[in-house]
Amino acid sequence: QKEVEQNSGPLSVPEGAIASLNCTYSDRGSQSFFWYRQYSGKSPELIMFIYSNGDKEDGRFTAQLNKASQYVSLLIRDSQPSDSATYLCAVASSTGKLIFGQGTTLQVKP
Amino acid sequence: DAGITQSPRHKVTETGTPVTLRCHQTENHRYMYWYRQDPGHGLRLIHYSYGVKDTDKGEVSDGYSVSRSKTEDFLLTLESATSSQTSVYFCAISEGGELYGYTFGSGTRLTVV
Repeated sequence: QKEVEQNSGPLSVPEGAIASLNCTYSDRGSQSFFWYRQYSGKSPELIMFIYSNGDKEDGRFTAQLNKASQYVSLLIRDSQPSDSATYLCAVASSTGKLIFGQGTTLQVKP
Repeated sequence: DAGITQSPRHKVTETGTPVTLRCHQTENHRYMYWYRQDPGHGLRLIHYSYGVKDTDKGEVSDGYSVSRSKTEDFLLTLESATSSQTSVYFCAISEGGELYGYTFGSGTRLTVV
């Protein structure tokens, strides 16, 4: 079992829809959770972080964390073509390392 | 990316030659990391540093060494490049370590022929 798992996609949504990206992790002692966006040929960019169970909202983005079920998700409301990218989930494990998932490719179609 | 620069951006080298990649930061962050990114594997940690002359191995450190003699510079050396080291290399910095997330440099695309 991989430490951080994401569906590689591609996830295709129409413009204006809600995109839902999911991530599961194996280390129950994990403390911090991050979402990075990576455009093709570019470096990862931190867009959201969450530490506590529940929801955290920032503009069109909402991160959701459920430690009991060991999953973290990212919702993107009113999806735009400019949101088309690969989204990486990262988890700070109890061993003190930041573990990345392989990423989910999102395609937003006009 | 503001405050973090990687050089070179692209490099083609021959098998068996040594190669050094440089990461330079102006943020005075204590923590620095080297990752490689490959299709099917995602981002994998090569080496990291928690301060000057304080470095340690990540999950894919074989064939790589690092040095950090100044806070602002973190060097990654491929001792004798192999084709399996063809990859995109990212440097990352962090003010507080893993719990606070990283900022990535623009990356170096290395091709070993």
